[in-house]
Amino acid sequence: GAVVSQHPSWVICKSGTSVKIECRSLDFQATTMFWYRQFPKQSLMLMATSNEGSKATYEQGVEKDKFLINHASLTLSTLTVTSAHPEDSSFYICSADRGQGTGELFFGEGSRLTVL
Amino acid sequence: AQSVTQPDIHITVSEGASLELRCNYSYGATPYLFWYVQSPGQGLQLLLKYFSGDTLVQGIKGFEAEFKRSQSSFNLRKPSVHWSDAAEYFCAVGATSGTYKYIFGTGTRLKVLA
Repeated sequence: GAVVSQHPSWVICKSGTSVKIECRSLDFQATTMFWYRQFPKQSLMLMATSNEGSKATYEQGVEKDKFLINHASLTLSTLTVTSAHPEDSSFYICSADRGQGTGELFFGEGSRLTVL
Repeated sequence: AQSVTQPDIHITVSEGASLELRCNYSYGATPYLFWYVQSPGQGLQLLLKYFSGDTLVQGIKGFEAEFKRSQSSFNLRKPSVHWSDAAEYFCAVGATSGTYKYIFGTGTRLKVLA
């Protein structure tokens, strides 16, 4: 159990367009989801914490108008990269908290975004 | 402030040799501790975790880790490395600062020589 799925796995878009990445918890309800960004050969950087039905909490330095996060249901959070530019190219990973106090977060497979 | 340090950015070992990857943390309470592995272009796979109890924890793929409170460490070990173990390894602490979340170390890239 505790499967988290991301879609798409990879996406290529033109500069100036917007891209949406979905994160779904397939077999549990996620009270909280997290979005990370990973640059090549670097660690995961937490971008924001997403709670169902409320506004996301962004980490310092993350542009909330650039990276729109919506957590519309207990099984789905979306990250929209608006007006994408080449510097937004990165590997984006989500994780989900089952909310049972287990302490373990469950990760999606990641989505690679390339902006031309 | 809470933090996780992985002192070794790169480690190279020969296949069949033993391995130890270091992880030190800074956290006010007893932390939840994790080790993840990431192959190139892939997501994270959980190797093992420590919440409480026995300080030596066994994980998948023959890995183990030992929690040492006095040293604030959670080092990952494997007695005999296989070529397929070449990957990036991340240590993480589960911390509550408002919302419960992970704090990741910077990662250690393991290279295995045939």
